[in-house]
Amino acid sequence: GAVVSQHPSWVICKSGTSVKIECRSLDFQATTMFWYRQFPKQSLMLMATSNEGSKATYEQGVEKDKFLINHASLTLSTLTVTSAHPEDSSFYICSAHPRQGAREQYFGPGTRLTVT
Amino acid sequence: AQSVAQPEDQVNVAEGNPLTVKCTYSVSGNPYLFWYVQYPNRGLQFLLKYITGDNLVKGSYGFEAEFNKSQTSFHLKKPSALVSDSALYFCAVSPGSGNTGKLIFGQGTTLQVKP
Repeated sequence: GAVVSQHPSWVICKSGTSVKIECRSLDFQATTMFWYRQFPKQSLMLMATSNEGSKATYEQGVEKDKFLINHASLTLSTLTVTSAHPEDSSFYICSAHPRQGAREQYFGPGTRLTVT
Repeated sequence: AQSVAQPEDQVNVAEGNPLTVKCTYSVSGNPYLFWYVQYPNRGLQFLLKYITGDNLVKGSYGFEAEFNKSQTSFHLKKPSALVSDSALYFCAVSPGSGNTGKLIFGQGTTLQVKP
């Protein structure tokens, strides 16, 4: 149980284009999903918290107009990297918080984004 | 400020020997503590958690962790390391006050188990 999927697992795009990454909780409902960015051999950097049916809360320094987050249902959140640039190349990981009162998060397998 | 520290960037251990990956924390209230493991180009896998009760928590793949409130530590341990345990390990904490679901992560420790 508690499986989270991400799609695509990797993507290569040209500079200036937009890329959408999907995060799905497969066997549970997630009231909250989180989006992280990870650089090689470094810790996870929380980008934003996504609550179903409401606007995402972005961490300080994260451009909300560049990283668009939508959490339209209790099982799906999407991250769209708009007008991508090479510096946006990174490993993006989502996680899902199953329900109120449960503290652990379940992580997706990650999406490797390369912007050329 | 709330934080989690993993003082070792890398831990090297021989296969069959016991291993310890250290974690200390500084958060408000009674924390919820977690260990996750990450293999290359993969997401994080949950290993174990401490919420309350027995200070020694047993988790997946033979790992365990000991919660020490006085030392604000939550070290990960395994009696006999396997080469396949080689990975990146993250300690994380959810502050006791409130439940936003947010986790604060340590910087990660690379565990290298040599045959």
